[in-house]
Amino acid sequence: QKEVEQDPGPLSVPEGAIVSLNCTYSNSAFQYFMWYRQYSRKGPELLMYTYSSGNKEDGRFTAQVDKSSKYISLFIRDSQPSDSATYLCAMHTQGGSEKLVFGKGTKLTVNP
Amino acid sequence: NAGVMQNPRHLVRRRGQEARLRCSPMKGHSHVYWYRQLPEEGLKFMVYLQKENIIDESGMPKERFSAEFPKEGPSILRIQQVVRGDSAAYFCASSPESRGVETQYFGPGTRLLVL
Repeated sequence: QKEVEQDPGPLSVPEGAIVSLNCTYSNSAFQYFMWYRQYSRKGPELLMYTYSSGNKEDGRFTAQVDKSSKYISLFIRDSQPSDSATYLCAMHTQGGSEKLVFGKGTKLTVNP
Repeated sequence: NAGVMQNPRHLVRRRGQEARLRCSPMKGHSHVYWYRQLPEEGLKFMVYLQKENIIDESGMPKERFSAEFPKEGPSILRIQQVVRGDSAAYFCASSPESRGVETQYFGPGTRLLVL
């Protein structure tokens, strides 16, 4: 079983839709959870960062962490064509190495 | 304030040649991380360096790959005797002195193609 599982999609939605992106993980030591956005041929860009469980909201983006289910989500409200990108979840344990463990990424297309 | 810089952006090598990838961290950042992104795969951690020290190389292949971050100059990821399976995008990230994984900022990547 991989440490982090993420459905690669692709996911195609109409403009204005609510998008739900998800990852599951197996390592209960993960404490930090991140979502990155990666446009084609570019480097990943940090979107949201959450420590432990709970919700975090930033504009149209909401990140949720459910540690009991080992499940994290990113919701995008009022999706825009400019949101079309690959979304990567990433995780990290507290202490120890600074390395991030990434999911494969979900490719999202928002159609105008 | 310039971000993380990587060069070259694209690199073509023939099998058996050497590839050198360079990463200049953001100003004030002294921690560097290298990740590899194979086609249809997520980013995989390779190595974590501070100035003149390798802190964690648990993701680095045992042979042909090496990394350094000298006191002066950029961090270098070196791949000797490249093979077709080394074709990938290599990303560098940097973070400041203080710990905080959320402060890892990524560069644009170097896309290596091995013919």
